[in-house]
Amino acid sequence: QVQLVESGGGVVQPGRSLRLSCAASGFTFSSYGMHWVRQAPGKGLEWVAVISYDGSNKYYADSVKGRFTISRDNSKNTLYLQMNSLRAEDTAVYYCAKGQQWLARTYMDVWGKGTTVTVSS
Amino acid sequence: AIRMTQSPSSLSASTGDRVTITCRASQGISSYLAWYQQKPGKAPKLLIYAASTLQSGVPSRFSGSGSGTDFTLTISCLQSEDFATYYCQQYYSYPYSFGQGTKLEIK
Repeated sequence: QVQLVESGGGVVQPGRSLRLSCAASGFTFSSYGMHWVRQAPGKGLEWVAVISYDGSNKYYADSVKGRFTISRDNSKNTLYLQMNSLRAEDTAVYYCAKGQQWLARTYMDVWGKGTTVTVSS
Repeated sequence: AIRMTQSPSSLSASTGDRVTITCRASQGISSYLAWYQQKPGKAPKLLIYAASTLQSGVPSRFSGSGSGTDFTLTISCLQSEDFATYYCQQYYSYPYSFGQGTKLEIK
C-alpha cells in the first residue's frame, strides 16, 4: 500500500539547521509531485512547499521562502526538506504528502504520520 | 495569497445529526477545493477533492458542494468516528492555503 514515513525531526536551537526526510513506498514515486505541510502545536495546517515529479519546479510558502529547500532523490524514493535559520515559529509537526502527476492544482491524497521539529534554546 | 475562512470554528452535534461546514475563499478558486479530516494526534485524511468528488473509501454520508468562492461540507448522519477537526484547502494557486479548521464535538 502507499506509505510515507517522515524522519529527521528533533530539538534544534534557533538559527541552526535540520533536514527532514520522507521515505515513499507503494507507488511510483518518480511520477508524482510531493508536498510538505506543517502544524504548529494546537494550531491548524500550513502548507510549506511542493516539488514536481522530476524536481525541476518548486514552490514555497512566504513564511519559509529563502530558508527552506525542498528536494527529492527519485533513485531512493525519498523527499527532503532542508531547513536553515530555524526560528521558534517553525516548531511544528511536519507532514509529507503525495500530490498528483502534475504540479499545478494538485490536492494531497496520501499523508505520512509526521515528524516533530522543536526549535528552542 | 488566497485566504480561506471556515465557519463555524467549532460545532457541537449528536450522533445521527446532519451538519454543514462552510468555507469561503478570498477570491474565486473554481472547484479547486479539498476537504480533510484530522483526528487528534493523527495525520489529515483526504475526504473530498474538486469540491464535490468523494475520495475512494470515504463513506457516502460525506458530501461537498460549491464553486467559485463558497463551499460546503455536509455530513448527513453523524457517526461517532466523525467527531474530528475538518479543514478546507484551496489548490487553485500557490501558495496553497487551508482554512483555520472546524472542530466537530459531541454534544
